[in-house]
Amino acid sequence: SQQGEEDPQALSIQEGENATMNCSYKTSINNLQWYRQNSGRGLVHLILIRSNEREKHSGRLRVTLDTSKKSSSLLITASRAADTASYFCAGAGGTSYGKLTFGQGTILTVHP
Amino acid sequence: NAGVTQTPKFQVLKTGQSMTLQCAQDMNHEYMSWYRQDPGMGLRLIHYSVGAGITDQGEVPNGYNVSRSTTEDFPLRLLSAAPSQTSVYFCASGDRWLRQYFGPGTRLTVT
Repeated sequence: SQQGEEDPQALSIQEGENATMNCSYKTSINNLQWYRQNSGRGLVHLILIRSNEREKHSGRLRVTLDTSKKSSSLLITASRAADTASYFCAGAGGTSYGKLTFGQGTILTVHP
Repeated sequence: NAGVTQTPKFQVLKTGQSMTLQCAQDMNHEYMSWYRQDPGMGLRLIHYSVGAGITDQGEVPNGYNVSRSTTEDFPLRLLSAAPSQTSVYFCASGDRWLRQYFGPGTRLTVT
């Protein structure tokens, strides 16, 4: 499976600081995706980075991908209290097309 | 455009009962999947489908059945409910890059 494993499990920061979360995966992928989940709700897709890309930006989000290390990072700049949520990564495609699996996520708490 | 809808939102079952969780999408996505999420844990893949008539097992398929007779619908059937199946169930559909669009979830309690 394209399991994602996030690190750290929990992150607590002040508003205005940057938040960095890491993800590792096990098998080859076509793309890696990051999702956000607010308490009790369904996951929402944030950003997708293809296997031939090294870095991608979307607003305050910056994602990097290192396929040689099978790892990715998500940086949220100038965090806001509204960014408080759980963040998950998942690898897609590759040899197990369709078997998209998620890790346990990083719980981000941004204090006002 | 409703996206992904799930019914019911809440359900309480007794051990041994069976039921079907409904999932429908109106985005014409070929890919659909079912996940369960337990407190403090990530999502675990139960079953998925890459198109009508095609289904496959995920990480935790035991105790669950699925079918995909149409592109729009992907119901999940609990054969004989057990307390270990108490969880929040999410259905998702995926586009060609497998970007997932999640439904609002079904909270299931098995007593």
